[in-house]
Amino acid sequence: EPEVTQTPSHQVTQMGQEVILRCVPISNHLYFYWYRQILGQKVEFLVSFYNNEISEKSEIFDDQFSVERPDGSNFTLKIRSTKLEDSAMYFCATRGQGAGGQYFGPGTRLTVT
Amino acid sequence: KQEVTQIPAALSVPEGENLVLNCSFTDSAIYNLQWFRQDPGKGLTSLLLIQSSQREQTSGRLNASLDKSSGRSTLYIAASQPGDSATYLCAVRDTGGFKTIFGAGTRLFVKA
Repeated sequence: EPEVTQTPSHQVTQMGQEVILRCVPISNHLYFYWYRQILGQKVEFLVSFYNNEISEKSEIFDDQFSVERPDGSNFTLKIRSTKLEDSAMYFCATRGQGAGGQYFGPGTRLTVT
Repeated sequence: KQEVTQIPAALSVPEGENLVLNCSFTDSAIYNLQWFRQDPGKGLTSLLLIQSSQREQTSGRLNASLDKSSGRSTLYIAASQPGDSATYLCAVRDTGGFKTIFGAGTRLFVKA
């Protein structure tokens, strides 16, 4: 069964550093999402991406965050200058055309020290 | 603003019991509702997807129902097993948007 993959599985970075989280979507999926889950809290929507542009973003997704599909396959989330409060699990999700559900990757655990 | 609530927050049952997890949402203008399972420290596994026009979906021992007008969904698990122990999340996708809103989850523990 096709699956969404994410790398790295765990990233440790110092405050103020830039990080890039990577996701490889299911091959025929067109809609891409990033979510985050701070330890012990709800899964929170960050951003959705379709047709090479952001289709919707949450209040969390400020100027420190950006997304792109640099090579038509990978889907990346960049955090320009990480803060301690960015420590969380980051999930990529993808969806095909139409009314299908979202498929989630295993997540990247980001630890900012 | 859509809000999703799940009750109970935690549930402990003996093996073999049938159980019901509840999800409620404040805005009935939804596109679909998806139930997920999350194991500790892991990603989300999709269990069932119900479109706004549907009333229920079934997969094996799982049955999810949707009452859009009252803003409720239930996940029924038949003959629970220790392997069902996990957190169950309900997520709602709003009409006309791309955002999906999650509930806080129900943490289920099935005792052998």
